[in-house]
Order: sequence, then C-alpha cells, then structure tokens
Amino acid sequence: GAVVSQHPSRVICKSGTSVKIECRSLDFQATTMFWYRQFPKQSLMLMATSNEGSKATYEQGVEKDKFLINHASLTLSTLTVTSAHPEDSSFYICSARDRGQGAPYNSPLHFGNGTRLTVT
Amino acid sequence: GIQVEQSPPDLILQEGANSTLRCNFSDSVNNLQWFHQNPWGQLINLFYIPSGTKQNGRLSATTVATERYSLLYISSSQTTDSGVYFCAVERLNDMRFGAGTRLTVKP
Repeated sequence: GAVVSQHPSRVICKSGTSVKIECRSLDFQATTMFWYRQFPKQSLMLMATSNEGSKATYEQGVEKDKFLINHASLTLSTLTVTSAHPEDSSFYICSARDRGQGAPYNSPLHFGNGTRLTVT
Repeated sequence: GIQVEQSPPDLILQEGANSTLRCNFSDSVNNLQWFHQNPWGQLINLFYIPSGTKQNGRLSATTVATERYSLLYISSSQTTDSGVYFCAVERLNDMRFGAGTRLTVKP
C-alpha cells in the first residue's frame, strides 16, 4: 500500500533554533501534500497545502515566514519551523495523495506517522 | 471551509459492547475517511468511504452523502479499540478533521 514516511519522529530543540521535518511518499508520486498540527487532546488542524513546484497555500493564522514549506519533488515535502519557540511545541503530521489513483480528489489521503516537536 | 461535527465526544464502554460513532458535515464531499489515532499519535486509516457501506472485521462504516453524515460501527469492542476516532472529510483538495470521539473500553 501507499506509504508516507515522516522524519524525524521526535525532535527536541532549543528556543530560537530551526527544525526541518521531511515528508516522503515512498512508493507513489504526490502532486499535493498537506501539513497538519495537533496540540494535546485536540484535533488535527490544517496548516498548509503544498503543491509540487509552486508555493504552498497557508491557512489563515499560520505564519508563512515561520513555517516554511518546500515541495521540491513529487515525493518530498519539507516543513521548516524557523526560530522555534516553546509555543510551537506540537505534533506535526503530513499527508499525501497518490496522483496515479484515478480522478483528482477521488482517492484517500495517506498520512505519515507524525513528528513530535518539543522546544525547550 | 467545510464544518465537521463528531458525536459523542467521549464514550466509555464495557468490553464486548457495541457502539456507533457519528460524523456530520456541512457540504458535499469527495472524500471521507475514518481514522483511529493510537497512543503514539499514529493515524490508522480505518475506512475510505465517501459513500456507501464497508465492513472490515468488527468495524463497519456507512456514509449517506446526500444527507451529509457518516457512521462508524464497532461491534464486540475490545480494550485495544480504545483511543480517539477521527472523521475527516475533504472537499476539492481541502481535508478537515472533526474534533474526534475519545473511546475507552474497560475490561
């Protein structure tokens, strides 16, 4: 089945540093990838939609200069949390759709296992 | 964006009991998925079900797209079924999650 690999699974960093999270589709090509954030005991909130070769579309309230998204190929998207602060500590999850599965939008999204970020 | 409501927010069951989780959504969708999130945060895809009925072992799901709701049935619940169940709906490349149902199955 379609596998989305997310790395790292857990990261602890100091306040003010930057952290990069990778999201790879291992056995399929993904034109679009999505990034979500989840705070403890809450639901997943969409942060941005990432399209290969173009700029990401950010949800209202998500700072594009703080959460840099790059989707340089059909199998890789990265999320960089710049100048991280303790309030950025959260669980970040990416997802992707196999572009080879029929009509656009009419196929499931595949999710990575998430990255737990702790900023000290 | 599309609104997603899940009910109940919390559910406590005795092992062996059956349950029904509900997901209502505010607009037509091209995708609906049910997930179980385990204690490590991993999202386990249970069903891709934009319409119709599917079954997988003790779990089954039904989506009535015209009435904008979906149901997840858990039969003969086990303690390993505990966790949070999310309904996620997508309309034109925009997927939103409900707030989830936190299920606790007691031995």
